[in-house]
Amino acid sequence: AQTVTQSQPEMSVQEAETVTLSCTYDTSESDYYLFWYKQPPSRQMILVIRQEAYKQQNATENRFSVNFQKAAKSFSLKISDSQLGDAAMYFCAWTTSNFGNEKLTFGTGTRLTIIP
Amino acid sequence: SAVISQKPSRDICQRGTSLTIQCQVDSQVTMMFWYRQQPGQSLTLIATANQGSEATYESGFVIDKFPISRPNLTFSTLTVSNMSPEDSSIYLCSVSYRVEQYFGPGTRLTVT
Repeated sequence: AQTVTQSQPEMSVQEAETVTLSCTYDTSESDYYLFWYKQPPSRQMILVIRQEAYKQQNATENRFSVNFQKAAKSFSLKISDSQLGDAAMYFCAWTTSNFGNEKLTFGTGTRLTIIP
Repeated sequence: SAVISQKPSRDICQRGTSLTIQCQVDSQVTMMFWYRQQPGQSLTLIATANQGSEATYESGFVIDKFPISRPNLTFSTLTVSNMSPEDSSIYLCSVSYRVEQYFGPGTRLTVT
């Protein structure tokens, strides 16, 4: 069974600084997708970034980028120029690339606090 | 992306009763998912609902407790039956759309 581990229950960062959230996963599959989701107090799950396992290039979306290390099964999220609106729970998630079975396996989450 | 709405957004229910949560998507999708998020915890998949077939339940979840309907490609319901305080959670539906999954705003259920 696939597992996703987030070892940092809480993180904090000064506004405008950079922070990295860690995620490791375990799977026997060679092709899959990884995601970071953000959940602010409104509880809406927002997709932040996606990484395809077959792509060596790390995904980036504006201030958000990932460091994907397939051999190490590591998938960290870097947030640059942190803003107050980035405060939220962040969940790392995994899904297979097999069409028809795209359920997500989530990590336990990291609560990110932004210090003004 | 897909836009998803859920009803109700929140409810307070008495133990022993049932609540049906509705999920509506603005486009046709093959697969819809129902997740539970217990207080302060991560999301756990309850079941996967495909149109025209029985829902597939994850370990620890049974159809008698969480019956699901999927009458068409844009709509699904999840019923939480014979509720107890342990069912107090946020329930979220999601859809898979071009690999990515999009979530509804969630239903916050409190059972007293």
